[in-house]
Amino acid sequence: SAVISQKPSRDICQRGTSLTIQCQVDSQVTMMFWYRQQPGQSLTLIATANQGSEATYESGFVIDKFPISRPNLTFSTLTVSNMSPEDSSIYLCSVSLAGGPYNEQFFGPGTRLTVL
Amino acid sequence: EDQVTQSPEALRLQEGESSSLNCSYTVSGLRGLFWYRQDPGKGPEFLFTLYSAGEEKEKERLKATLTKKESFLHITAPKPEDSATYLCAVQAGGGATNKLIFGTGTLLAVQP
Repeated sequence: SAVISQKPSRDICQRGTSLTIQCQVDSQVTMMFWYRQQPGQSLTLIATANQGSEATYESGFVIDKFPISRPNLTFSTLTVSNMSPEDSSIYLCSVSLAGGPYNEQFFGPGTRLTVL
Repeated sequence: EDQVTQSPEALRLQEGESSSLNCSYTVSGLRGLFWYRQDPGKGPEFLFTLYSAGEEKEKERLKATLTKKESFLHITAPKPEDSATYLCAVQAGGGATNKLIFGTGTLLAVQP
């Protein structure tokens, strides 16, 4: 297994500002993903973070709103831009481990974001 | 459209009272079905992966089974520490995506 950490664990932000969330893994992984968990709803995939290239976004999510970086095999960031109260949610990164079943995903602890 | 439905939404059990949680799915070619446990304020914790109908996996008091249309998570003689939200997710076939499609979960409360 791997240890996955996220920073910050929680934040309260003002409307119109941006927040960058970091995801760090203690071992090399094949794939990294970003999910959103809105209150009372299921987890929804935002995008797949690709090393050295642009992230692959799911329908309904765009790069201008959720820019993602993945500079190496163990680190990724998600930025929530120009925030509105509707962006209040838990943001989770997940990874597939190198050498493990390629489609099993393990999640970080999440970042709880509140937008006022 | 790929879809996952979990039932019941909430379940309250007495300690030792066995029960089952249901996850029904509609996907275009199942590549895998996953069970996670999520405690309040934490990320989902991986429990099981099931790949084909008839497959079963066990871990302590939990046993997951899979048919062509649904999966069950059986909890035998639960303890209060089994209280959590249990999430089911599927991965659909076709394309290069490893996207997980989640249900909304079953909130389990086990009372001593």
